[in-house]
Amino acid sequence: KNQVEQSPQSLIILEGKNCTLQCNYTVSPFSNLRWYKQDTGRGPVSLTIMTFSENTKSNGRYTATLDADTKQSSLHITASQLSDSASYICVVSAPGSARQLTFGSGTQLTVLP
Amino acid sequence: NAGVTQTPKFRILKIGQSMTLQCTQDMNHNYMYWYRQDPGMGLKLIYYSVGAGITDKGEVPNGYNVSRSTTEDFPLRLELAAPSQTSVYFCASGVGPLFFGSGTQLSVL
Repeated sequence: KNQVEQSPQSLIILEGKNCTLQCNYTVSPFSNLRWYKQDTGRGPVSLTIMTFSENTKSNGRYTATLDADTKQSSLHITASQLSDSASYICVVSAPGSARQLTFGSGTQLTVLP
Repeated sequence: NAGVTQTPKFRILKIGQSMTLQCTQDMNHNYMYWYRQDPGMGLKLIYYSVGAGITDKGEVPNGYNVSRSTTEDFPLRLELAAPSQTSVYFCASGVGPLFFGSGTQLSVL
């Protein structure tokens, strides 16, 4: 069964600090890996999409890395801001029909002043 | 610049009642989806559509129905609501990055 595991479940950091969120997956075959940010009471918003041939992709202060061999990804947030407080969701896509997305349960990040 | 619009934002149903969750997108996307999000769980696909007149089941379709008469609209129908359908429902559209609506929080009591 395809699974996406994220760690930690929750994380609290101080404003201005960096942090790294982890995503391990068992989805195979693999098409692409996505990171989404979900603010409380809102729908997820796409941060990055990486195919198996991409090792890293950045979106402002967000940098995602992918190791397709070990089936691991990380999302690094630099110089955190209060607005970074949200749930970060890792999503892995298998090739084929539109139903082939497996969502992680997310890491809840809280940035304190 | 509306994107994906869902209504209502909140709803309380009694067991056995029915309702329709509305979803409209203005990005001319062929692909549209309905997901549910339960506490501590990843989003689960209920139904999806690859274009007007074409729908297919996702991972958790029981108790739900959909229709797609236009590119813009993809309503989700709950028949005979049950407590197990208490959840947050998200409509999305797109193929690469998905664009999500802001969600409908549904409680069945």
